[in-house]
Amino acid sequence: DIQMTQSPSSLSASVGDRVTITCRASQTISSYLNWYQQKPGRAPKLLIYAASTLQSGVPSRFSGSESGTDFTLTISSLQPEDFATYYCQQSYSTPLTFGGGTKMEI
Amino acid sequence: QVQLQQWGAGLLKPSETLSLTCAVYGGSFSDYYWTWIRQPPGMGLEWVGEINHSGGTNYNPSLKSRVTISIDTSKNQFSLHLSSVTAADTAVYYCARADYARGGYMDVWGKGTTVTVSS
Repeated sequence: DIQMTQSPSSLSASVGDRVTITCRASQTISSYLNWYQQKPGRAPKLLIYAASTLQSGVPSRFSGSESGTDFTLTISSLQPEDFATYYCQQSYSTPLTFGGGTKMEI
Repeated sequence: QVQLQQWGAGLLKPSETLSLTCAVYGGSFSDYYWTWIRQPPGMGLEWVGEINHSGGTNYNPSLKSRVTISIDTSKNQFSLHLSSVTAADTAVYYCARADYARGGYMDVWGKGTTVTVSS
């Protein structure tokens, strides 16, 4: 199985901050990396797919990048509604696997 | 707009079989994989398995001996069966649509069903 190591596991930030979350794959996954946002009691929501493609309807303050097996989710200016938990997920091979999550708190 | 509506028993005893169904409303049923993901309380996401419209399946090896995913194309529904449940199977179970044509992401999700295993 491909292991996805996500960091940090938690993050304290303020409205307006620029924040970065990192996900490292245990082997090459090409660009098969997706990012999700989950709020308490809700299903995950797709933010970015194929490492850097913004899902329709997602604000442009969200962006993704890759460098080898390292992937990054950046939020350029945190908004109140962005405080949530974020997960990366590889879709290179089954079993599909997720990172452990990053809980973003005020 | 595609919607997934899921249902099933929420309280099980150890050794029973978990059964959940997810109905797909709107959009194509044949162009995607239909997946199940679970999330234990306070923990992260775990992919359970998936099925396509032809009945082709992939399962998480950690659950493979106990899991069956089936599909009913006449009703645009797919189902999850997990046998011999224990407390470790207590989780919110989500159904979702996986689009492998554009990278294998899950872009449409059900609202989730809370399943509790307790004697």
